[in-house]
Amino acid sequence: GAVVSQHPSWVICKSGTSVKIECRSLDFQATTMFWYRQFPKQSLMLMATSNEGSKATYEQGVEKDKFLINHASLTLSTLTVTSAHPEDSSFYICSARDLYEQYFGPGTRLTVT
Amino acid sequence: AQSVTQPDIHITVSEGASLELRCNYSYGATPYLFWYVQSPGQGLQLLLKYFSGDTLVQGIKGFEAEFKRSQSSFNLRKPSVHWSDAAEYFCAVGEQAGTALIFGKGTTLSVSS
Repeated sequence: GAVVSQHPSWVICKSGTSVKIECRSLDFQATTMFWYRQFPKQSLMLMATSNEGSKATYEQGVEKDKFLINHASLTLSTLTVTSAHPEDSSFYICSARDLYEQYFGPGTRLTVT
Repeated sequence: AQSVTQPDIHITVSEGASLELRCNYSYGATPYLFWYVQSPGQGLQLLLKYFSGDTLVQGIKGFEAEFKRSQSSFNLRKPSVHWSDAAEYFCAVGEQAGTALIFGKGTTLSVSS
């Protein structure tokens, strides 16, 4: 089946720094990728929709200048959390869409100290 | 507005007993419905999905779900629970197969021996 990877799986960064999370579709091309955020023991909330070669579409309340999304190729989307703060600590999950299905990555746990 | 409600936050079931996790949705059109399972610190694994056709859907790991349009429900069932089924279960709804999903808040399943 289709596989989506995320890197890193876990990252700790200092407050004020930026961190980049990669989402890759390993065996299929994904014109669309989604980024979700999950707080501890909470549901997944859609942050943005990333389309290859175009600007991401952000959900209401998500700061696009803080959460930079780049979808430069059909197999890679990146989420950069800029000037991270402790409240950005969360579990970030991406998913990639082929023609008919959406496949989820394993998630990246971000801890900002 | 589109929404998914999982009324049960936490359920404990004895090993070998049957299980039913409830899911109700609010959606304007015919929904695409999904059940995912998430183990601690892990990504999402798709258990089953419903798009159309037979309203009783079989999934992996012995799970099944029944779509009831009149009740706007998509409840997940398993006839005999195993200790390894302890996890977080999410019901989700989408417009199409590969579009962004709206998730319920999840139900934590504990299995007692």
